[in-house]
Amino acid sequence: QAGLTQPPSVSKGLRQTATLTCTGDSNNVGNQGAAWLQQHQGHPPKLLSYRNNTRPSGISERFSASRSGNTASLTITGLQPEDEADYYCSAWDSSLSARVFGGGTKLTVL
Amino acid sequence: EVQLLESGGGLVQPGGSLRLSCAASGFTFSSYGMTWVRRAPGKGLEWVSSIGGSGRSTNYADSVKGRFTVSRDNSKNTLYLQMNSLGAGDTALYYCARVSGSPDYWGQGTLVTVSS
Repeated sequence: QAGLTQPPSVSKGLRQTATLTCTGDSNNVGNQGAAWLQQHQGHPPKLLSYRNNTRPSGISERFSASRSGNTASLTITGLQPEDEADYYCSAWDSSLSARVFGGGTKLTVL
Repeated sequence: EVQLLESGGGLVQPGGSLRLSCAASGFTFSSYGMTWVRRAPGKGLEWVSSIGGSGRSTNYADSVKGRFTVSRDNSKNTLYLQMNSLGAGDTALYYCARVSGSPDYWGQGTLVTVSS
């Protein structure tokens, strides 16, 4: 099953803004939208956003998501050291009847 | 508070079997789909399987189709993953997650190591 495409790594400075991208197709991101998850080393994934830009309770407003066509984006403003983590996008693929994940983006906060 | 607790992982020889369990609490278990996701060492998240709230609907990744079986016992609030014909490529930390459109709550994971 083909996955979603994410850049392997992104590096930004403290208090800067990072935008992570996730590209799929009309059967997944373009159809169902994408969810974004954050995973710190040694911890389970945490849902940051779903249905393109709905944040679960307790998730900082510094995290915002959007979608344009088959590409989803996660923007993190005012980067903090604790934002350094792996970020994954995910979507349900209606043609595969499968959930697909991106390969993950490792965010480094300099 | 939603809680998911996986168990059943361990060391198994190639070709062997394991059954993972995921005990759920803090929500109406039968009202939610559930999913298994794994993360192999040095790799990203990989979806393994999903099951609907009633248990009638199931889906599998191509990599596990025919070898793994997902099931649930709503009377025990427990999700299962029966894994057969295990190979080195199945070595991973296995997570269960509740699905509310997207996987929203995750367990801590249980480690499966396939090695002789």
